[in-house]
Amino acid sequence: EILLTQSPATLSLSPGERATLSCRVSQSVGRFLAWYQQKPGQAPRLLIYDTFYRATDIPARFSGSVSGTVFTLSISSVEPEDCAIYYCQQRKDWPLTFGRGTRLEIK
Amino acid sequence: QVQLVQSGAEVKKPGASVKISCKTSGYIFTTYILHWVRQAPGQRLEWMGWMNGVTGGITYSQKFQGRVTLTRDTSASTAYMELNSLRSEDTAVYFCTRTGEFGDYYFAFWGQGTLVTVSS
Repeated sequence: EILLTQSPATLSLSPGERATLSCRVSQSVGRFLAWYQQKPGQAPRLLIYDTFYRATDIPARFSGSVSGTVFTLSISSVEPEDCAIYYCQQRKDWPLTFGRGTRLEIK
Repeated sequence: QVQLVQSGAEVKKPGASVKISCKTSGYIFTTYILHWVRQAPGQRLEWMGWMNGVTGGITYSQKFQGRVTLTRDTSASTAYMELNSLRSEDTAVYFCTRTGEFGDYYFAFWGQGTLVTVSS
C-alpha cells in the first residue's frame, strides 16, 4: 500500500505566520492527493483535492502544491481557528490511505 | 443540506460483533458512493471499504476482508457497517462518509462518528 509520511508532527505558529505542512508519498500518486482538517471531537473536513483545488467554502489562504513526491499544504496567514490536525490522503491506489497527521498549534 | 447521522456509541466484548447505521438525508441516496473510515486513538485514519450508490457494488479493504460487511436499506436511505470478531484494536471512532463532486474517492461529507469500545 502507498505510505504517506507527514511532517512535521507538530507545528506551532503565531497568528499571521505562514504554515507549511508536508506529505511525502512512497510511490507516485499523480495528482490524486487531498488534505483534510480535523478539529477535536469533529469529523475531518475536506480542504484540498487533486493536489491543488480548494473544496467548497474553503478560504483562499489554504493552498496545495507538489514537488516530486512531496505534497505541501500551505496556509498563507494562520488564524486561531486553524488550530487542528491536518491529514493527507491518496486515492491513486487501493487501499485508500492517510498520513498520520500534522498538529497545528496557534500560539 | 446533506446530512449523515450515525447510531450511538457501543461497548462490546472481544469476539462480539457491532453494527453501525448511517442515516442519510438531503440527497438521493443511490447517486453517491458511501465509504467507511475509522480512527483508532492516536492512529491515522483508516479506510475500510465503500459501497457504490448506483449499483450497490462493494469493495473492502483487504485488511478488513472477511470481518466487515457493508449493507444498505435504500428505502430508508441508510447504510450499515458490521464488524465481526471484535478485538481491542478495533476500539475506534467509525465514520461513514460520502463522496461529492470532487471525485468518488475523496470524502466530502461525514457522519458525526460512532465510538466503538471493545473491552472485556
